[in-house]
Amino acid sequence: NAGVTQTPKFQVLKTGQSMTLQCAQDMNHEYMSWYRQDPGMGLRLIHYSVGAGITDQGEVPNGYNVSRSTTEDFPLRLLSAAPSQTSVYFCASRSILGFGANVLTFGAGSRLTVL
Amino acid sequence: AQTVTQSQPEMSVQEAETVTLSCTYDTSENNYYLFWYKQPPSRQMILVIRQEAYKQQNATENRFSVNFQKAAKSFSLKISDSQLGDTAMYFCAFVNAGNNRKLIWGLGTSLAVNP
Repeated sequence: NAGVTQTPKFQVLKTGQSMTLQCAQDMNHEYMSWYRQDPGMGLRLIHYSVGAGITDQGEVPNGYNVSRSTTEDFPLRLLSAAPSQTSVYFCASRSILGFGANVLTFGAGSRLTVL
Repeated sequence: AQTVTQSQPEMSVQEAETVTLSCTYDTSENNYYLFWYKQPPSRQMILVIRQEAYKQQNATENRFSVNFQKAAKSFSLKISDSQLGDTAMYFCAFVNAGNNRKLIWGLGTSLAVNP
């Protein structure tokens, strides 16, 4: 089925380890984004991209890197994990133009625990 | 600053009854889109309903409808004939029109539908 695929669904890291959360969409969406969700804090935007080769920072970018080499993929990298990065991460994409513009489609989420 | 306020952190309703979730927002722009998203215990974020600010008619989707009051900057969600499967967190969000605009999210309302 068309949609946003995130992997892994669960991950446990030790402080200082690095990892990449993968995100892929097959809807040809121009816009892709990463959010983190923490209790009582809603959804906070980490990074976003409006097309291949273009990325920008959201509200809470520190400690995270992204790249967008293709329209389909938008990986999120944690270079040196910290306990404060324990969270649930969502990738989401949307079309910029057309009837469905501005409607975000979300991945299933990735629960990350940093010990 | 652009904000979204959901004043009811938690609500409950009996099965088959009607419940209204409130949402107010603040923007100085005239053209924008409003959304309600649902997040059940499975964690998947699902679009419930969408409203374009330039449309006066309130959006409806089956048992879900909104009361959009543009002048008051209010966007409440009404769920009729509540079902157990409606138990979820509900997030209100808006985005100003334009290619690179970011969604602004409320902190959510946790709705419990009781049998």
